[in-house]
Amino acid sequence: KAGVTQTPRYLIKTRGQQVTLSCSPISGHRSVSWYQQTPGQGLQFLFEYFSETQRNKGNFPGRFSGRQFSNSRSEMNVSTLELGDSALYLCASSLSRTPDTQYFGPGTRLTVL
Amino acid sequence: QKEVEQDPGPLSVPEGAIVSLNCTYSNSAFQYFMWYRQYSRKGPELLMYTYSSGNKEDGRFTAQVDKSSKYISLFIRDSQPSDSATYLCAINQGAQKLVFGQGTRLTINP
Repeated sequence: KAGVTQTPRYLIKTRGQQVTLSCSPISGHRSVSWYQQTPGQGLQFLFEYFSETQRNKGNFPGRFSGRQFSNSRSEMNVSTLELGDSALYLCASSLSRTPDTQYFGPGTRLTVL
Repeated sequence: QKEVEQDPGPLSVPEGAIVSLNCTYSNSAFQYFMWYRQYSRKGPELLMYTYSSGNKEDGRFTAQVDKSSKYISLFIRDSQPSDSATYLCAINQGAQKLVFGQGTRLTINP
């Protein structure tokens, strides 16, 4: 069974631009969560989508948004990029919304110059 | 106070040693506890998953939860160089939201 895939793997943007990251969950998994990982703050929860609806949200500004499609694939968007948005963005999928295991993708490394 | 506290290390031990990794958490309502391993340039990989208190063993790995002291531990027996990675404790805060510790960077020296 294929794992969680994320595209692109690396991305370089400049301040003020916007970016869209993509995540394809494990086949059959309906819940997709997004996390930001930085050396200073560690791994922080961004949001979770299930059945195309955002079900939970972390403490991030409105510049961070996401969506989920009917095939469970998800995208996250960051508008008006800031230097502090440089991070590894991780997507995790799980079969259902029970307090279950989440399987992480390899991440997208975003660098903002 | 952070919801989950973890000593970032780094921790360096010789091959074959027993490794003890620990986290503390603040909210006694937490019930689901995980340990993830993350290799450089990779996403976290689930190692152990424990519900409520007690011990859980899987091969060389043992996860332990002490809810009375809000303390979770991961023990690695007969440590191998391939165990060198960052280990992250995580707590499920509900509805798929994981709260992570800072991660402990572990090196096993041959």
